[in-house]
Amino acid sequence: AQTVTQSQPEMSVQEAETVTLSCTYDTSESDYYLFWYKQPPSRQMILVIRQEAYKQQNATENRFSVNFQKAAKSFSLKISDSQLGDAAMYFCAYRSHTNFGNEKLTFGTGTRLTIIP
Amino acid sequence: DTGVSQDPRHKITKRGQNVTFRCDPISEHNRLYWYRQTLGQGPEFLTYFQNEAQLEKSRLLSDRFSAERPKGSFSTLEIQRTEQGDSAMYLCASSPRTVLLSEQYFGPGTRLTVT
Repeated sequence: AQTVTQSQPEMSVQEAETVTLSCTYDTSESDYYLFWYKQPPSRQMILVIRQEAYKQQNATENRFSVNFQKAAKSFSLKISDSQLGDAAMYFCAYRSHTNFGNEKLTFGTGTRLTIIP
Repeated sequence: DTGVSQDPRHKITKRGQNVTFRCDPISEHNRLYWYRQTLGQGPEFLTYFQNEAQLEKSRLLSDRFSAERPKGSFSTLEIQRTEQGDSAMYLCASSPRTVLLSEQYFGPGTRLTVT
């Protein structure tokens, strides 16, 4: 079974600065997908960024980028130019590669990010 | 499209009572997932539907839990004889059937408190 570990329960960053959230995972599979989800207080979870394991290039979405190290099974999220609206719980998630099958996600325990004005 | 909706948003019940939650996925999304999120934890997979067929259930889903998706549209999750350990946020997500990597869209969740 796959496991996802987020070792930083809480992080804080000054507005406009850069912060990196850590995630490691354990799997015996060679093909899979990794995600970062954001869960703002009392609001629903939304996808921030995704990475296909077969792609060597790190994914980027505007101010959000990842550092995917497949051999180390590490998948960190970097948020640049932090904004107040980035304050949320961030979850790292793993999904096995599957064709039209169960695409269930395995989540880490989350990192609560606070933005300091 | 208004996204995934869940009803009720909050439910307080006494131990031993039955509760039922509803999830309305995004229209034409054929895949539907239920997750449970306890305080301080990430969501954990409970069960998965493809259209009306329930194709996988987690071992977390005891016999007191049952889920249905009768017409391949909305889904219900029922918990019988609730226990205090059932207190959690129950999340529903849906995704479309595509050949590409499909994103799961989450609802706002139903927060259950068992007293």
